[in-house]
Amino acid sequence: GNSVTQMEGPVTLSEEAFLTINCTYTATGYPSLFWYVQYPGEGLQLLLKATKADDKGSNKGFEATYRKETTSFHLEKGSVQVSDSAVYFCALSDYLTSYDKVIFGPGTSLSVIP
Amino acid sequence: DARVTQTPRDKVTEMGQEVTMRCQPILGHNTVFWYRQTMMQGLELLAYFRNRAPLDDSGMPKDRFSAEMPDATLATLKIQPSEPRDSAVYFCASASGQANTEAFFGQGTRLTVV
Repeated sequence: GNSVTQMEGPVTLSEEAFLTINCTYTATGYPSLFWYVQYPGEGLQLLLKATKADDKGSNKGFEATYRKETTSFHLEKGSVQVSDSAVYFCALSDYLTSYDKVIFGPGTSLSVIP
Repeated sequence: DARVTQTPRDKVTEMGQEVTMRCQPILGHNTVFWYRQTMMQGLELLAYFRNRAPLDDSGMPKDRFSAEMPDATLATLKIQPSEPRDSAVYFCASASGQANTEAFFGQGTRLTVV
């Protein structure tokens, strides 16, 4: 079945540090890949997505590249800010096998300190 | 600004009481998800509706939980009787039903069963 694995948290970084959150997936078909972000007390919201191999999703300085050969979709940001403190979820959906059902990873908590 | 609306935002109830959580999906979306989030289990998919019909409710404890869509603008999740272990944040999300599109989340209902 389809699944998502991401690095365990929590991750604590100083402001302006480089961020990488690793994500790997298992899928039987050709999934779309997503990163969602959850700020304290709120629901999840889409951060970025990529729908086919070698696509790069980007938003708010965050980037992730769909790597089919390594089944990965690692999230990166060159310089984090305190406002980036949140929980980040890697996710996939495989429309051909399960329509728009979204499978989430366990989430990685990020704290950015001034 | 289209968004998923959940009510109530917070609910405290006594063990054994019935709890009903409501969700208004984004107009035009034909897919609705119910998720439960806890520190221990992370995000769990409880039920998944497409065109108001349940597509997958395998994640939902059948003896006490029920999910319905009385019409296209309302989804409900009921727990009867509630137990302390049901304490969690319950999220509703909706999606357009098209390939490669994301789910949009509500702000959640924080349930505390005492």
